[in-house]
Amino acid sequence: QKEVEQNSGPLSVPEGAIASLNCTYSDRGSQSFFWYRQYSGKSPELIMFIYSNGDKEDGRFTAQLNKASQYVSLLIRDSQPSDSATYLCAVNGDRGSTLGRLYFGRGTQLTVWP
Amino acid sequence: DGGITQSPKYLFRKEGQNVTLSCEQNLNHDAMYWYRQDPGQGLRLIYYSQIVNDFQKGDIAEGYSVSREKKESFPLTVTSAQKNPTAFYLCASSMPLGQGPGELFFGEGSRLTVL
Repeated sequence: QKEVEQNSGPLSVPEGAIASLNCTYSDRGSQSFFWYRQYSGKSPELIMFIYSNGDKEDGRFTAQLNKASQYVSLLIRDSQPSDSATYLCAVNGDRGSTLGRLYFGRGTQLTVWP
Repeated sequence: DGGITQSPKYLFRKEGQNVTLSCEQNLNHDAMYWYRQDPGQGLRLIYYSQIVNDFQKGDIAEGYSVSREKKESFPLTVTSAQKNPTAFYLCASSMPLGQGPGELFFGEGSRLTVL
């Protein structure tokens, strides 16, 4: 069973601060990594994906990947109250019966207070 | 607009009854998935299908059944054998391997409550 662990949270930051969300994964063969945002009672929506070591930036969001440490993170700069949600980390299966599957962490609940 | 449609959004079931959750997609995706979400548990895979007329069990398939007779449709039946079916059910699809990064596209979900 592939493991995806996220910092348990909940995480609370003031408006304008940087929120840092972390995720580790067990399968060294995983190639693609995803961050989803899920508002309460809604379905997950994709924020970013990354598959190369280093940083990937999209607006206020930066995904960071370190395959050697099996670690992926999401930074949210200038956090807004509208960023308050649960953030799910997902990694792909890389071989055999796991190919194409995504494995999800339990999520980190983020609250941004005004 | 392309997307995934789940129905019903809310469903109440009495113990001992089977219920079927509908999932239809018009994204022309080959692969479809059913996940279950409980508070604090993240998403757990129930069943998935990579191609029409073929499907595989996920991590928590007991008490569930699926069919994949059409590319567009992947209904999930929650049977009376499922001991704790109250949950939020999410259907998803993905592009064929090699045609994208592999992300899942989700429907809006179906919330099942057992009375």
